[in-house]
Amino acid sequence: QLQLQESGPGLVKPSETLSLTCTVSGGSISSSSYYWGWIRQPPGKGLEWIGSIYYSGSTYYNPSLKSRVTISVDTSKNQFSLKLSSVTAADTAVYYCASKGIAAPFDYWGQGTLVTVSS
Amino acid sequence: QSVLTQPPSVSGAPGQRVTISCTGSSSNIGAGYDVHWYQQLPGTAPKFLIYGNTNRPSGVPDRFSGSKSGTSASLAITGLQAEDEADYYCQSYDSSLSGSVFGGGTKLTVL
Repeated sequence: QLQLQESGPGLVKPSETLSLTCTVSGGSISSSSYYWGWIRQPPGKGLEWIGSIYYSGSTYYNPSLKSRVTISVDTSKNQFSLKLSSVTAADTAVYYCASKGIAAPFDYWGQGTLVTVSS
Repeated sequence: QSVLTQPPSVSGAPGQRVTISCTGSSSNIGAGYDVHWYQQLPGTAPKFLIYGNTNRPSGVPDRFSGSKSGTSASLAITGLQAEDEADYYCQSYDSSLSGSVFGGGTKLTVL
């Protein structure tokens, strides 16, 4: 079964760019069966879908974040990445990466990584 | 303000039945897109509980069931147990946003 693991800095300064990577094991990120997504959860709050990428490179972003988000895939490393620019304290959250089948739920999740935006 | 609306909290005594509603609109649930449900235990990543409106993945007790009608969906939990105390989220697809949407989450307290 798939396993996903987020990695990246836990502290980012305001106005800078948040960068996270999700490493996928137990399966190929090039599979046509899956989308690869990022979801975040501010402390004490609910889940927010950030965006998803298909193995072909097609991307889908939450309109509320679209101007600041870039999701990319590196098939050679079996990884996909998130970049969120111009961060503020409102971007402080636990960031999860997850896999999602077509017309299916987010079935495999990483453990999540807390990113704090603070100077 | 979440696109899908859930009650912030529900509660019930052990053994009782509770339901959690998820109300959407004509661009998501009402458009026929599937609803999925997740359970999030404290300090852990969400785990999908119900997929495709009514289906349980292997390992999920049959005490959990899902339904969908019109622009709403519901998660029912029967025979409440202390271990069911968690946050529950619904999720679907929204055609106007061209992406996944989550409900705001419902905290289940087992009294």
